[in-house]
Amino acid sequence: GAGVSQSPSNKVTEKGKDVELRCDPISGHTALYWYRQRLGQGLEFLIYFQGNSAPDKSGLPSDRFSAERTGESVSTLTIQRTQQEDSAVYLCASSSLQVGKNIQYFGAGTRLSVL
Amino acid sequence: RKEVEQDPGPFNVPEGATVAFNCTYSNSASQSFFWYRQDCRKEPKLLMSVYSSGNEDGRFTAQLNRASQYISLLIRDSKLSDSATYLCVVSPSGGSYIPTFGRGTSLIVHP
Repeated sequence: GAGVSQSPSNKVTEKGKDVELRCDPISGHTALYWYRQRLGQGLEFLIYFQGNSAPDKSGLPSDRFSAERTGESVSTLTIQRTQQEDSAVYLCASSSLQVGKNIQYFGAGTRLSVL
Repeated sequence: RKEVEQDPGPFNVPEGATVAFNCTYSNSASQSFFWYRQDCRKEPKLLMSVYSSGNEDGRFTAQLNRASQYISLLIRDSKLSDSATYLCVVSPSGGSYIPTFGRGTSLIVHP
């Protein structure tokens, strides 16, 4: 597709369940980023992939959060044993990492609600 | 000190007004600068890059002051459709490709 695609667009889950969020970046984009945005708050960096490697996982809030990327394309963010404080919009962005022009293109996000 | 700071606003202005936002950053080695726009319950979208010499795109003008480490965005002749949150984004130099987003400045343009 032309842009970054995320699925599902909305996810409602019960506390304690695991959820998996998917991101399809723009074809050919080397870099892929995951962010979390709580209601009324700014973007919180979670993890960054360059190719299939994640050189920076510093933003993952706990060991319940993990992410992987395969084929230098699709990425999944997994949250295990969800808690109510995990409720947020999870945004994925991709970039071609052009020198001096690290422009990020965002997907529409997955709105996660943990009951 | 936060890496990228913005006045959260909201800036409440009438249609046709000129409004300016500033953003300060702490890393003097930062290399690239951008303004993104985020509409309510939508994803951020690139508004414009910010170049050292300053740049203009229609009603929007962006400027960079490296000495004082701030970026500005000027919007002339505000439209109702300009109502959104404006995010300042700073990218580091060197081997890191993780940009830092400000928390955004909210603009409300009213009739």
